[in-house]
Amino acid sequence: DSGVTQTPKHLITATGQRVTLRCSPRSGDLSVYWYQQSLDQGLQFLIQYYNGEERAKGNILERFSAQQFPDLHSELNLSSLELGDSALYFCASSPRDYTDTQYFGPGTRLTVL
Amino acid sequence: AQKVTQAQTEISVVEKEDVTLDCVYETRDTTYYLFWYKQPPSGELVFLIRRNSFDEQNEISGRYSWNFQKSTSSFNFTITASQVVDSAVYFCALSEDTGRRALTFGSGTRLQVQP
Repeated sequence: DSGVTQTPKHLITATGQRVTLRCSPRSGDLSVYWYQQSLDQGLQFLIQYYNGEERAKGNILERFSAQQFPDLHSELNLSSLELGDSALYFCASSPRDYTDTQYFGPGTRLTVL
Repeated sequence: AQKVTQAQTEISVVEKEDVTLDCVYETRDTTYYLFWYKQPPSGELVFLIRRNSFDEQNEISGRYSWNFQKSTSSFNFTITASQVVDSAVYFCALSEDTGRRALTFGSGTRLQVQP
């Protein structure tokens, strides 16, 4: 158990819908990262937050957004969902930044029908 | 731009065999960080090891060992006396001081250990 929690574990929704994925980092970690794992794209970095502020952006679509709250939990919002958004979404946390080891949550499997 | 290549898509071995998973990376930075993660069939990503670019010491942890060679930009992972529980997808990853500053993953190597 990495100490990073993610909810829900599974999510099934329809095209055009909006969903929110939630992540709680390990105790004491200030950075939260979101990654997407799909069969065709592999594991891709989406976005990082550090202590409530956006720190780095990867291949995140404009339909996707995230935020980190004062209690350091983070949410990833996916809107206008398409079939191609079906993937495993991971959250990771680290004490500070990219120089630290990132510990991953169990992931949320999103299926868009 | 940073890049990680895991040329072996899938490896199948019989229990107790030794197996080496290859990882080759590209980076322009002199300071960078290399990682290995394991993804068992249950799906989670489990951290195995981290290596800083300025520390070329090889590491052994039980049946696992890692060989870091800056001269060939490689960070290979060896499992000695493999076991069925080692069956998983293994990812090599890189983060660097400049650029995106997040993990760039290789495509992974699926290891199947047959009893």
